[in-house]
Amino acid sequence: RKEVEQDPGPFNVPEGATVAFNCTYSNSASQSFFWYRQDCRKEPKLLMSVYSSGNEDGRFTAQLNRASQYISLLIRDSKLSDSATYLCVVNVPWAGGSYIPTFGRGTSLIVHP
Amino acid sequence: NAGVTQTPKFQVLKTGQSMTLQCAQDMNHNSMYWYRQDPGMGLRLIYYSASEGTTDKGEVPNGYNVSRLNKREFSLRLESAAPSQTSVYFCASSDRRGANGDTQYFGPGTRLTVL
Repeated sequence: RKEVEQDPGPFNVPEGATVAFNCTYSNSASQSFFWYRQDCRKEPKLLMSVYSSGNEDGRFTAQLNRASQYISLLIRDSKLSDSATYLCVVNVPWAGGSYIPTFGRGTSLIVHP
Repeated sequence: NAGVTQTPKFQVLKTGQSMTLQCAQDMNHNSMYWYRQDPGMGLRLIYYSASEGTTDKGEVPNGYNVSRLNKREFSLRLESAAPSQTSVYFCASSDRRGANGDTQYFGPGTRLTVL
């Protein structure tokens, strides 16, 4: 079982819709959580970090639920330009007391006119 | 300020050939990473370097070696390429040592095909 799980989608939504993605992680000792965005055949770029209290950046809201071990991303008023793959990243415990970034497989979003 | 650069952008190898993928960052970051991305698999960490002078194995290190040449450069070497190593390779860097809680900045990727 992969450490970080995401529904691959695709989520196919009309412009203006609200869409939500979830990501679950298996190790309760994980620290630091992020959402990255990846456009087709491009490198991933940070969308937002996820804080325990939840955080918002314009149309994007991220939340962390440590008890249930998942993070979520909500996109309001979807734009065509939001079409991309959204990657969940969790820092999981690794050897020697370190943590390594572990990526989910990504969720594909397609916003249509 | 170029961020993270990778060379080459594309490469085709024959089984058994060797090659080195180069990565450099100009942000004075401490940590650097090598990932591979395969369809349906997401990004998987091959090796990382939490600080200059250290390297550690990630999830999928077999068949690869790395060198942290200095603070700026982190190279990935395939000694004897196999078709299973056909993938897109991304290098990344982040500011903090060990990178816990830190944003990663990615290079544009190297598309490698092994025949």
